[in-house]
Amino acid sequence: GAGVSQTPSNKVTEKGKYVELRCDPISGHTALYWYRQSLGQGPEFLIYFQGTGAADDSGLPNDRFFAVRPEGSVSTLKIQRTERGDSAVYLCASSLTAGLSNTGELFFGEGSRLTVL
Amino acid sequence: GENVEQHPSTLSVQEGDSAVIKCTYSDSASNYFPWYKQELGKGPQLIIDIRSNVGEKKDQRIAVTLNKTAKHFSLHITETQPEDSAVYFCAASLYSTLTFGKGTMLLVSP
Repeated sequence: GAGVSQTPSNKVTEKGKYVELRCDPISGHTALYWYRQSLGQGPEFLIYFQGTGAADDSGLPNDRFFAVRPEGSVSTLKIQRTERGDSAVYLCASSLTAGLSNTGELFFGEGSRLTVL
Repeated sequence: GENVEQHPSTLSVQEGDSAVIKCTYSDSASNYFPWYKQELGKGPQLIIDIRSNVGEKKDQRIAVTLNKTAKHFSLHITETQPEDSAVYFCAASLYSTLTFGKGTMLLVSP
């Protein structure tokens, strides 16, 4: 079956521009996560959704970052007034439910590489 | 919050040797410890996980051990093969979010 799909795979933008990154999770997965991965680092948690609501957004670095999941499936990560420091790979993941210790596995997409010039 | 330390950052072995990667975590309440493998240009993929009520788990050539008292867990790969070359991440979770280590680049030479 289809895995987690992310678009675009690559995005180059200029400092100050607005960017949207899209994630299509595995069908039936209720939990959806956004992580950010800088070069040579592990994924860093940003936000996760259980259904349509953001259950934990404590990892969002500032108010330029926002994410939505209006129908409980596809999610969009939105970055306003991009800065060079926002350059990274943005990973989306989904799981059957949010209780990882019970249901386990987080399935990751291949990521969207964002470069801010 | 949770902090996960991972060592070594790079590891080079000969094909057929064993490889061991070690992690420590800070939050004693964490109860789920997965290991992910990430190949170049791909997203991380789960290879094995362990829960806090178990001390060791094996799956063919890979095994994970957990010492909750010391807050240590380790990944063991035996009979390494060139296709094992990748970046490996440990992680710890209390309920819903994973905190990752910085990763270990494993290089297996033929």
